[in-house]
Amino acid sequence: EVKLVESGGGLVQPGGSLRLSCAASGFTFTDYSMNWVRQAPGRGLEWVSYITNTGSHIFYADSVKGRFTISRDDATNSLYLQMNSLRVEDTAVFYCARTQGRGIDVWGQGTTVTVS
Amino acid sequence: DIQMTQSPSTLSASVGDRVTITCRASQSVSSWLAWYQQKPGKAPKLLIYKASYLESGVPSRFSGSGSGTEFSLTISSLQPDDFATYYCQQYDFSSRAFTFGQGTKLEIK
Repeated sequence: EVKLVESGGGLVQPGGSLRLSCAASGFTFTDYSMNWVRQAPGRGLEWVSYITNTGSHIFYADSVKGRFTISRDDATNSLYLQMNSLRVEDTAVFYCARTQGRGIDVWGQGTTVTVS
Repeated sequence: DIQMTQSPSTLSASVGDRVTITCRASQSVSSWLAWYQQKPGKAPKLLIYKASYLESGVPSRFSGSGSGTEFSLTISSLQPDDFATYYCQQYDFSSRAFTFGQGTKLEIK
């Protein structure tokens, strides 16, 4: 079964840091690019960051550029999001999501980040 | 960044209706456009990719069309399970940012 499981969310004060993790299973992790997508309470989806399957290209939304860092560990089939200088407006459910030319075809269940 | 604008923001319709949701990009994204369905408390689900390709397992009443800057998602005959929020997303690699539309909430009339 193809699966993405996020962890690492929680409550953090403004200005603090948090590291999200995503464990991938059921597919060849190195064949796929990956994303982080978030959704603030009662709001729409916001794309956050993207990393290619080789790690050669990394993109960020302007709202997180300079504060968030995406990375992957192919040895452990893991995706990460290091979040620094967190703001109240970063409060959201964060989804780990798989992509490869077909949009995002697999989503995790999400992990909740609360900045307060 | 490329801006994606969906219309309408809310749509009221009845079971059996044919409905169309529109998504406009601020610049061309070729056919790099996907549509998702999201229900409350759940992760989104991919419906359409590359503007008009139906994802495996998605009912054929869903269809997508368009290219460049104008796209649409059509549901040919609404079923009770289709009442949800729909999002478009551009994933043009050259844009270096894969923005979503603001969403369209499809409600029961």
